[in-house]
Amino acid sequence: AQSVTQLDSHVSVSEGTPVLLRCNYSSSYSPSLFWYVQHPNKGLQLLLKYTSAATLVKGINGFEAEFKKSETSFHLTKPSAHMSDAAEYFCVVSDPTGFQKLVFGTGTRLLVSP
Amino acid sequence: KAGVTQTPRYLIKTRGQQVTLSCSPISGHRSVSWYQQTPGQGLQFLFEYFSETQRNKGNFPGRFSGRQFSNSRSEMNVSTLELGDSALYLCASSRGLAGEGDTQYFGPGTRLTVL
Repeated sequence: AQSVTQLDSHVSVSEGTPVLLRCNYSSSYSPSLFWYVQHPNKGLQLLLKYTSAATLVKGINGFEAEFKKSETSFHLTKPSAHMSDAAEYFCVVSDPTGFQKLVFGTGTRLLVSP
Repeated sequence: KAGVTQTPRYLIKTRGQQVTLSCSPISGHRSVSWYQQTPGQGLQFLFEYFSETQRNKGNFPGRFSGRQFSNSRSEMNVSTLELGDSALYLCASSRGLAGEGDTQYFGPGTRLTVL
């Protein structure tokens, strides 16, 4: 069965410093992987999506993620954090062969200080 | 292009009542999925509808049900409400099945409070 582990429940950075949000997955299939962001009291917004076309995926707002099959990881990065990046981030794996075809991680709350 | 809309945005009910939530997907999208989000359990998948048929279902009791209409709009119903049903209910739409890798677009959610 597929699963997603977001390794940090909270990440704190200063404005202007790099962001790293970690995600590991397990899947018996070649999965699709997503990162979504959720601002307070809002729905989820798609940041980026991996579908095996390229291992480095660029998303919106300067975010990118690298798919590493050998490490079963899909970490989200951004070179320089902005105050508006403070939100909750979800890593999601889609595996059509799994019983539960779409699995969400537990989320990482990103805190950005001035 | 209009996004996913959910109505109502906020709802207060009492235990034992039933509630119906509505979701209008992005035009052209045929799949609608429903999720429950709570601080304790996080995001949990309820079910997915595609072309008026339930295609996938999460691990929720039968009190939670849904349906999809021919115009792809979807409703979710919760009967005999319990305090633990208090949550943000999110709807997401996609062109194809979300479980097969199609990108989902989320609505703003309906905040349900059960007293």
